[in-house]
Amino acid sequence: DTGVSQDPRHKITKRGQNVTFRCDPISEHNRLYWYRQTLGQGPEFLTYFQNEAQLEKSRLLSDRFSAERPKGSFSTLEIQRTEQGDSAMYLCASSERAIGATDTQYFGPGTRLTVL
Amino acid sequence: RKEVEQDPGPFNVPEGATVAFNCTYSNSASQSFFWYRQDCRKEPKLLMSVYSSGNEDGRFTAQLNRASQYISLLIRDSKLSDSATYLCVVITPGAGSYQLTFGKGTKLSVIP
Repeated sequence: DTGVSQDPRHKITKRGQNVTFRCDPISEHNRLYWYRQTLGQGPEFLTYFQNEAQLEKSRLLSDRFSAERPKGSFSTLEIQRTEQGDSAMYLCASSERAIGATDTQYFGPGTRLTVL
Repeated sequence: RKEVEQDPGPFNVPEGATVAFNCTYSNSASQSFFWYRQDCRKEPKLLMSVYSSGNEDGRFTAQLNRASQYISLLIRDSKLSDSATYLCVVITPGAGSYQLTFGKGTKLSVIP
């Protein structure tokens, strides 16, 4: 499978615990995005990388959230001291570098986080 | 006004019907537009890009109206398999980067 993969697919944790998710983009894609989606809402942008550089972070990304893409390939999203409000689907997407803003993103299956 | 707005629906239509969704955006500087489809508990998948001149892909037609700042998606001859949530995506350039915003989605149910 050459699509975007995410691990784990599901995560249940207790409030206050730290969690880390991984995303492996399509191999030739150098842009990688993280989104959060809750029921009945569209995906909300969190952050994106071009290669290893984190170029933009949403104000939704509190200081408990950190993302890395150390070698410009896979990425991790860590949430520290999880809260019940963090329960959501965390989606990763990747795209090829494009001229202008014609950026077609391909999504992974997501990691569903439940914070008890 | 929200950056990207969609009628959440649900739109319940019979098989074979024609249905149209609109998506309005607030920033006139927005440059690129897409429609994604999301099935229940699945990830969004690109349905089609929206070009200035309008574009068609089989039963699906997308249009852009820059003056009124909306995009539309028309589905002709609806199939049961078209039942899904349709998300519009708007890309807006910023300082050295660009912002990608999803609408909340419009839910379509095609009924036998």
